[in-house]
Amino acid sequence: ILNVEQSPQSLHVQEGDSTNFTCSFPSSNFYALHWYRWETAKSPEALFVMTLNGDEKKKGRISATLNTKEGYSYLYIKGSQPEDSATYLCAFSLAGSARQLTFGSGTQLTVLP
Amino acid sequence: GAVVSQHPSRVICKSGTSVKIECRSLDFQATTMFWYRQFPKKSLMLMATSNEGSKATYEQGVEKDKFLINHASLTLSTLTVTSAHPEDSSFYICSEGREGTDTQYFGPGTRLTVL
Repeated sequence: ILNVEQSPQSLHVQEGDSTNFTCSFPSSNFYALHWYRWETAKSPEALFVMTLNGDEKKKGRISATLNTKEGYSYLYIKGSQPEDSATYLCAFSLAGSARQLTFGSGTQLTVLP
Repeated sequence: GAVVSQHPSRVICKSGTSVKIECRSLDFQATTMFWYRQFPKKSLMLMATSNEGSKATYEQGVEKDKFLINHASLTLSTLTVTSAHPEDSSFYICSEGREGTDTQYFGPGTRLTVL
């Protein structure tokens, strides 16, 4: 059974704080790591797809890093805003089955004004 | 970006009835769609891969006769929960996959409650 662990499970921060979460995944036979943002009553929104060890990607105030050798990815949010409140999901896929995503349970972020 | 819709967003049904959930790709002809299920406080679990014009591929432990998938056109995949029971109550969500990209685009999901 493939396991994806996300931590923390939930997080409350003040507006303006920077924050980060972790996604751990099996490092063998790795193909890709995905991050999604999921707001209540909306569709999960793709943030990043990363495939190479050492990859760093950035989208506005959000960035992510990838370490495939040790099996983890970090998602960073700089200067959190209330609109960043959402559940952040990571998912990974294996070589040979790139479209079959295994998801973590998510980190629920609440940014307090 | 891609837009995927699901209908209905919420459905309540009696035990023993069948429920159909539609997943539509609004701006792309999707040959492949995916169906996931989410139990409370748990992660999204892939149930099956829906292939246009051919049979769906089910994940281990998912009953294909229970969860019927039809992908008759490039823009529509349907999931029918047959003879639903309370344990089928869950959140069902679909996504589309595209050739040339690893990103999946998700619908907003359907909350099924079986009484």
